[in-house]
Amino acid sequence: AQTVTQSQPEMSVQEAETVTLSCTYDTSENNYYLFWYKQPPSRQMILVIRQEAYKQQNATENRFSVNFQKAAKSFSLKISDSQLGDTAMYFCAFMKLYGGSQGNLIFGKGTKLSVKP
Amino acid sequence: GAVVSQHPSWVICKSGTSVKIECRSLDFQATTMFWYRQFPKQSLMLMATSNEGSKATYEQGVEKDKFLINHASLTLSTLTVTSAHPEDSSFYICSASRDSVWREYFGPGTRLTVL
Repeated sequence: AQTVTQSQPEMSVQEAETVTLSCTYDTSENNYYLFWYKQPPSRQMILVIRQEAYKQQNATENRFSVNFQKAAKSFSLKISDSQLGDTAMYFCAFMKLYGGSQGNLIFGKGTKLSVKP
Repeated sequence: GAVVSQHPSWVICKSGTSVKIECRSLDFQATTMFWYRQFPKQSLMLMATSNEGSKATYEQGVEKDKFLINHASLTLSTLTVTSAHPEDSSFYICSASRDSVWREYFGPGTRLTVL
């Protein structure tokens, strides 16, 4: 079975600074996707970034980038130029692929990020 | 695009009654819908996966007779909590996926309070 581990329950960062959230996962699969989701106080889950396992190039979305280390099964999220609106719970998630179909998301326990003015 | 709605956003009911939560994909056809439960300050726990026209697949430990899931069309799935009790109070989130997109689109969630 796949597992996702987020070892940092809480983190804080000063506005405009950079912060890195850690995530490791365990799987014997070769085809999968990895995600970072953000859940602000509204509790709406928002996709931050997605990484295909077969791609070596790290995904980036504006101020958000990942460091994907497939052999080490590590998938960290870097937030640059942190903004107050980045304050939220961040969940790392794993999705297995079954041939041409997707499986469900498996979530880590989350990291609560606070951006301080 | 790819908007998922949930209704109601908040419901309070008496112990012993049943509550139905709707999940709709507004602008796409969802091949699969998922139902999650989230307790305060915890992660999302998958309850069940449903495909249109098929019986839902429940995760281990989830009572299928208590949490009835119906996926009658490609845009609508419902979760009915039968004979609700205070311990069923939680935040319920649905998500939907479509072929070859490799992600889930989440609804805004429903807060259920059972008195």
